[in-house]
Amino acid sequence: NAGVTQTPKFQVLKTGQSMTLQCAQDMNHEYMSWYRQDPGMGLRLIHYSVGAGITDQGEVPNGYNVSRSTTEDFPLRLLSAAPSQTSVYFCASSLLAGGPSSYNEQFFGPGTRLTVL
Amino acid sequence: AQKVTQAQTEISVVEKEDVTLDCVYETRDTTYYLFWYKQPPSGELVFLIRRNSFDEQNEISGRYSWNFQKSTSSFNFTITASQVVDSAVYFCALEADSNYQLIWGAGTKLIIKP
Repeated sequence: NAGVTQTPKFQVLKTGQSMTLQCAQDMNHEYMSWYRQDPGMGLRLIHYSVGAGITDQGEVPNGYNVSRSTTEDFPLRLLSAAPSQTSVYFCASSLLAGGPSSYNEQFFGPGTRLTVL
Repeated sequence: AQKVTQAQTEISVVEKEDVTLDCVYETRDTTYYLFWYKQPPSGELVFLIRRNSFDEQNEISGRYSWNFQKSTSSFNFTITASQVVDSAVYFCALEADSNYQLIWGAGTKLIIKP
């Protein structure tokens, strides 16, 4: 298993450009999420999905779109990049089960370091 | 509202010393999960432990131990006989039953000096 993969690893954008950060997992996990990590702060949830066709907003969704057409893929789109979106982005996935085993361990991708000039 | 506070921004100790990282959480939910993750200088996030709100037993895994106390809403992490390889940023996180969102603390940077 490759686990959670993210591409690209590094990206530099100019203000106003758009792009898509790719995330894929091969563990058949229902739950996938995107976080951003800024210096001196913990991770903040941008968007998440509990299954194909279902997405919802997290703590900091503005300026980002997501879709979940398949179980494996969960791309994050920056619509019009701004310097405030300079950050490290992590994608994560986990099983989603009811009862005491809910909220299983999240597996994280290696991250994408994005700089917006 | 849910919140995780890691008051220690940075801790520096000499190798072989014991060190405790503090984590205080806030939630109104009765069912919740607490996590510790490690982020070494290479940047990846490494899962260390998950604890649910109904299990207050302390846990020990090698040199690592966790002290969960609901009475003080704390989930502290202790490294015994620290090693240079333990140098990393450690995050505490909370996931409550009312939603699917993981709330993270700001992290504690641990520096172990040889």
